[in-house]
Amino acid sequence: KAGVTQTPRYLIKTRGQQVTLSCSPISGHRSVSWYQQTPGQGLQFLFEYFSETQRNKGNFPGRFSGRQFSNSRSEMNVSTLELGDSALYLCASSIDGSTDTQYFGPGTRLTVL
Amino acid sequence: AQSVSQHNHHVILSEAASLELGCNYSYGGTVNLFWYVQYPGQHLQLLLKYFSGDPLVKGIKGFEAEFIKSKFSFNLRKPSVQWSDTAEYFCAVNPNDYKLSFGAGTTVTVRA
Repeated sequence: KAGVTQTPRYLIKTRGQQVTLSCSPISGHRSVSWYQQTPGQGLQFLFEYFSETQRNKGNFPGRFSGRQFSNSRSEMNVSTLELGDSALYLCASSIDGSTDTQYFGPGTRLTVL
Repeated sequence: AQSVSQHNHHVILSEAASLELGCNYSYGGTVNLFWYVQYPGQHLQLLLKYFSGDPLVKGIKGFEAEFIKSKFSFNLRKPSVQWSDTAEYFCAVNPNDYKLSFGAGTTVTVRA
């Protein structure tokens, strides 16, 4: 069974631009969560989607948004990029997101210059 | 505020030494508990998890963890570490709100 895939793996953007990251969950998984990983803040929860609905959201500004499609694939968007948005963005999928295990993808490394 | 605390930021051991990493959480009610590991250059992998039942859970690669409800703790242990256990270890808590909250992580360096 294929794992969680994330594209692109690396991105370099400049301040003020926007970026869209993509995540394809494991087949049969309907829950997708996004996390930001930085050396200073560790792993921070961004949001979780299930059946195209956002069920929970972390403490991030409105510049961070996401969506999920009917095939469970998910995208997250960051608008008006800031230097502090440089991070590894991780996607994780699970069957239903409530109590089961989350499986993580390799991440997208975003660098904002 | 609800949080997950990992006591050690960086642990350095020699091969064959025993390892114990502390994790405490401040959520009330029912929680699901996890330990994840991130080996150098690899993505996060599940080591073990606790949902209910026996508070002593065994995971992959000889790791185990004990859930002590009264202490809000879920400590990770391994009796004898190997060089290949060098990694970053994360404790995580899911209080059944579709959100996994992570501790800050502990970097474990095993010297040959």
